Amino acid sequence: DAKTTQPTSMDCAEGRAANLPCNHSTISGNEYVYWYRQIHSQGPQYIIHGLKNNETNEMASLIITEDRKSSTLILPHATLRDTAVYYCIVLTGNQFYFGTGTSLTVIP
Amino acid sequence: DTAVSQTPKYLVTQMGNDKSIKCEQNLGHDTMYWYKQDSKKFLKIMFSYNNKELIINETVPNRFSPKSPDKAHLNLHINSLELGDSAVYFCASSPSPSQPQHFGDGTRLSIL
Repeated sequence: DAKTTQPTSMDCAEGRAANLPCNHSTISGNEYVYWYRQIHSQGPQYIIHGLKNNETNEMASLIITEDRKSSTLILPHATLRDTAVYYCIVLTGNQFYFGTGTSLTVIP
Repeated sequence: DTAVSQTPKYLVTQMGNDKSIKCEQNLGHDTMYWYKQDSKKFLKIMFSYNNKELIINETVPNRFSPKSPDKAHLNLHINSLELGDSAVYFCASSPSPSQPQHFGDGTRLSIL
């Protein structure tokens, strides 16, 4: 079962930062937080992952709270092509349990 | 170059038939997976193979049988198809079981 809780949907204006929250209050000390997204009709796409420290790559930034009970995915300058369902996943025993995700709509 | 490719992309068939979906990855990964995404868009893992060995086998009917002839291929055979098998099936691969997975574009299976 998914160990994460995310808002069902969010809107973001094009060009603005999109901040997607995720709660994972039961996370264990050695479990990673992963983010994927699924654009309509395509396979899920890996975005970023982290354990304790904040992470940044060419797609996004991941901010993990000090107690590791929540995290935020940041898309710094959202574009229309970022409209997708975003999944926050806690890797448990080498298995990815996808929850219902957040449907992000980027508005022109 | 497609990293994880699935065939066919669409599959429409009658209830009771047997069908196979093929998956190939050219990333040199050791681990491959099959996921099922139902009409409510819930994505659930079915099987995982690491170096051709089955490592994850979720609660899936015996009618579903994965086969991994080599590390680059993981096929899914389904016997006696039922209406509830209608879904999108995704194949994925990763360097190892705990690393990021790369997904194919899915096979859309419709049972008439």
